[in-house]
Amino acid sequence: EADIYQTPRYLVIGTGKKITLECSQTMGHDKMYWYQQDPGMELHLIHYSYGVNSTEKGDLSSESTVSRIRTEHFPLTLESARPSHTSQYLCASSEGSGYTFGSGTRLTVV
Amino acid sequence: GQSLEQPSEVTAVEGAIVQINCTYQTSGFYGLSWYQQHDGGAPTFLSYNGLDGLEETGRFSSFLSRSDSYGYLLLQELQMKDSASYFCAVKPGGSYIPTFGRGTSLIVHP
Repeated sequence: EADIYQTPRYLVIGTGKKITLECSQTMGHDKMYWYQQDPGMELHLIHYSYGVNSTEKGDLSSESTVSRIRTEHFPLTLESARPSHTSQYLCASSEGSGYTFGSGTRLTVV
Repeated sequence: GQSLEQPSEVTAVEGAIVQINCTYQTSGFYGLSWYQQHDGGAPTFLSYNGLDGLEETGRFSSFLSRSDSYGYLLLQELQMKDSASYFCAVKPGGSYIPTFGRGTSLIVHP
């Protein structure tokens, strides 16, 4: 039973467009994360948050921004999409030792 | 920094037992986690080892030796549905953010 939701599941957009990937969780977790993952490759941390109004950049600079106005909501925005942004974006939250991941958004920029 | 090493691919037959190793180098250490990810899906949490020894959950077991900076995931009575990628992840000291390995692709043959 998924308690963390990502929308859209798939998205194809043109270069230069602004997009927001949505992520919501119902578990009340303070910690949330965004990862980027290419097929068959490892996960790269893009952004993370320890709580409301707390956001930090991860290891991978992806020209994206996040916000955390509410505990349950952690959207990711690409101001100007490029073909190099084509990838899968995974949202996760944690409380304790394990992460719960959303189903991901598979983004294609043409 | 942190680094993790795990084999890129492991193959086995149905009903067999397979072990996926993970060695790590971190500055400080909180624990070792394992995740399963099917093609096109999101990672799902399998197990966590914070202390040395073996943790068993059904057909899956995970082991940790902190003195050797080494752990493994053991899968017994392999089934076709176990074909997936398996990631180890380490939480370094002083951080809630785990570092993921590159993943091991497990292929189970009939």
